[in-house]
Amino acid sequence: GENVEQHPSTLSVQEGDSAVIKCTYSDSASNYFPWYKQELGKGPQLIIDIRSNVGEKKDQRIAVTLNKTAKHFSLHITETQPEDSAVYFCAASNTGNQFYFGTGTSLTVIP
Amino acid sequence: KAGVTQTPRYLIKTRGQQVTLSCSPISGHRSVSWYQQTPGQGLQFLFEYFSETQRNKGNFPGRFSGRQFSNSRSEMNVSTLELGDSALYLCASSLGGGMRLDYNEQFFGPGTRLTVL
Repeated sequence: GENVEQHPSTLSVQEGDSAVIKCTYSDSASNYFPWYKQELGKGPQLIIDIRSNVGEKKDQRIAVTLNKTAKHFSLHITETQPEDSAVYFCAASNTGNQFYFGTGTSLTVIP
Repeated sequence: KAGVTQTPRYLIKTRGQQVTLSCSPISGHRSVSWYQQTPGQGLQFLFEYFSETQRNKGNFPGRFSGRQFSNSRSEMNVSTLELGDSALYLCASSLGGGMRLDYNEQFFGPGTRLTVL
């Protein structure tokens, strides 16, 4: 089955700096890669996603890049703000709609 | 459009009891997936239901079961509860996967926090 690894497990940045979270996957059949943000006491919220036929996608301050050959994808958050502090999860899925999640990155933005 | 709702939000049970959790997906979504979230194991996939049929299953014992109704609402049941079943149980709904990007988008509910004493 699919195995998704996520690094780092914790990340602290100064407000205004950029944050990068990286994930690798093992199954070449995976073709959909979402990122979720989970705040305390809430369910994960979809923040951005990418399909395997696209190399990069951007939405305001967040962007995701995908390298299919190397089987890794990354989340980039620029101009970080305190409200970006949360746990971020990457995931990989295929057309069968089964999702495999990374272990999460706890991001702290220091004002 | 209303989001995914889960009931109850909090539950306390004792070992050996059974529990049923409920999930109402986003209107129009036919797929419901269930996950167990614990600090040590992260998000673990339990199973997915699509059009009342279990389509995918994770590596959980048979004590964990589920079903989906014709209106896409889903229930998850855990029998003979163990201390290790204490977790946040999340459900997520989607249109059902496939080649279209929007069919893959999975949206989570707030979860049910289960504590087993």
